Amino acid sequence: GDSVTQMEGPVTLSEEAFLTINCTYTATGYPSLFWYVQYPGEGLQLLLKATKADDKGSNKGFEATYRKETTSFHLEKGSVQVSDSAVYFCALSNSNSGYALNFGKGTSLLVTP
Amino acid sequence: GAGVSQSPSNKVTEKGKDVELRCDPISGHTALYWYRQSLGQGLEFLIYFQGNSAPDKSGLPSDRFSAERTGGSVSTLTIQRTQQEDSAVYLCASSPRGMETQYFGPGTRLLVL
Repeated sequence: GDSVTQMEGPVTLSEEAFLTINCTYTATGYPSLFWYVQYPGEGLQLLLKATKADDKGSNKGFEATYRKETTSFHLEKGSVQVSDSAVYFCALSNSNSGYALNFGKGTSLLVTP
Repeated sequence: GAGVSQSPSNKVTEKGKDVELRCDPISGHTALYWYRQSLGQGLEFLIYFQGNSAPDKSGLPSDRFSAERTGGSVSTLTIQRTQQEDSAVYLCASSPRGMETQYFGPGTRLLVL
């Protein structure tokens, strides 16, 4: 079945550092790909998404490109801030499962001043 | 407008008791999803509804779990004879028709003693 693998955390970075969180997937057909974020004490929020190959999702300075050839959707940000400290989840949805989200295990990010 | 709401926000119960968790989706959203977030298992999909119908119940962990949706709106997740391993945060999400972005509620934190 479909699955998502993302890099284990926790990841600790200094403010203004470059961030990459790796995410790869296995899926049949043409899934949509997502990054969700969970800030401390808050609920899950959509960060960005891409619905087809070569699409780039972007939001709040974060970017991810849907790479079908490498089955990847890596999250990047050029300069992280303390306020970016959160848990980041990569996920996919597919029509063959009613578009239910299939999540990776999450990557905890801590940004220090 | 109003987002997805869930009640109760916290629930403490004794092993063997039944619990009911409620989800109120965004008005007009026909697709509704239940997920579970626990330390050991990460974010797991449980069940989804399209309208009042649940086409796939295979994500439910055991036959102690059931869910229903009435009037294409409110959904209830019922856990019978709760066990300690049922302790988790239960999340509900809705989307306009299914293939679009899912919007998450704040969750119900269930603790089984």
